Amino acid sequence: QVQLVESGGGVVQPGRSLRLSCAASGFSFSSYGMHWVRQAPGKGLEWVAVIWYDGSNKYYVDSVKGRFTISRDNSKNTLYLQMNSLRAEDTAVYYCAGRQSGHFDPWGQGTLVTVSP
Amino acid sequence: QSALTQPASVSGSPGQSITISCTGTSSDVGSYNLVSWYQHHPGKAPKLMIFEVNKRPSGVSNRFSGSKSGNTASLTISGLQSEDEADYYCCSYAGSSTWVFGGGTKLTVL
Repeated sequence: QVQLVESGGGVVQPGRSLRLSCAASGFSFSSYGMHWVRQAPGKGLEWVAVIWYDGSNKYYVDSVKGRFTISRDNSKNTLYLQMNSLRAEDTAVYYCAGRQSGHFDPWGQGTLVTVSP
Repeated sequence: QSALTQPASVSGSPGQSITISCTGTSSDVGSYNLVSWYQHHPGKAPKLMIFEVNKRPSGVSNRFSGSKSGNTASLTISGLQSEDEADYYCCSYAGSSTWVFGGGTKLTVL
């Protein structure tokens, strides 16, 4: 069945880096654009970044530009989010999701990133 | 990239109908018919309920419907059931390959 599984979350100090992964299965990953979306504790969902199906285009929310990099390896059916210069406000559950025209489907169950001294 | 505005909470009794509003601007909701709605039970993956304003994915109950007028989109759930209790988020394409979500609405089934 269609499945997205995130990994790589954890506790990290401010200013450090972390790389998230999202393993896809059950669908043609290389044909789909992919998103990262996050949810800070007690807050709503926030779109973070999108990458085209072939990796040719990448876009980010202003708050992560220059710090986060979205990438993919279609040979491994895996999406990545490299997060550098992490801040306390980056603490959130990070979800990967498929890009379907203007909406998001499917979704993973998320991985928690905690930025704390 | 300001979040869309949703009521923090709504409630209804089983069998009733409720509507959740989602207000954006002429740069997002008002400009594109690319509004979607997601149901989110905490700890689980969000689920697509409505896309392109009023289209239902296969497998989503026809009790869920969407609409849009100007800068405001709406999600209506009819025949409320206990399993509908969840957080609901709207989302709109905002141009330049960016997207914006609403702050979320907690639905309580009384």
